[in-house]
Amino acid sequence: RKEVEQDPGPFNVPEGATVAFNCTYSNSASQSFFWYRQDCRKEPKLLMSVYSSGNEDGRFTAQLNRASQYISLLIRDSKLSDSATYLCVVRGGNKLVFGAGTILRVKS
Amino acid sequence: GAVVSQHPSRVICKSGTSVKIECRSLDFQATTMFWYRQFPKKSLMLMATSNEGSKATYEQGVEKDKFLINHASLTLSTLTVTSAHPEDSSFYICSADGEGFGYGYTFGSGTRLTVV
Repeated sequence: RKEVEQDPGPFNVPEGATVAFNCTYSNSASQSFFWYRQDCRKEPKLLMSVYSSGNEDGRFTAQLNRASQYISLLIRDSKLSDSATYLCVVRGGNKLVFGAGTILRVKS
Repeated sequence: GAVVSQHPSRVICKSGTSVKIECRSLDFQATTMFWYRQFPKKSLMLMATSNEGSKATYEQGVEKDKFLINHASLTLSTLTVTSAHPEDSSFYICSADGEGFGYGYTFGSGTRLTVV
């Protein structure tokens, strides 16, 4: 079983749509959780950290459920510029473990 | 702040040659740097963790004699792919953790290596 699992997609959505991504992780001792965004042939960039209390940054909302070892990302009012691969990332100790990513394509 | 510079961004080399990739932290001291490899449509896989002034810690399955890592200062780590073969062609990315950052890491822009 992979340490971090994501639905690879692609998710094809129209502009303005709301889309949700899910992720599960296997190591219950994991300490920190993140969503990264990676554009084609570019490095990953931190989108937001994820907390059990849930956190929101503009159109993006992330949620962590430690009991279920489940992480989610909700994107509202999708923009064309949101098209990218979204990586679920889990930190244990000083190491980051990446999911394979979920592809989002927003179309006009 | 927290900028990591990685060079070169792209390199093409012949089989059997060695390639050095540099990763520099520009505005902070990186006590730990990480080297990842990403194959097309795959996730980033950690290759090794390098700590300034000590030997790198390699992940299982990564050949330390093939992927030489040097972290001689708090702002520079290098990865040398020795005797490169076409199967080493990949996207190599470094990241750095400065003291106190804690949350996530800053990544370099990556190096696309093609071995012909």
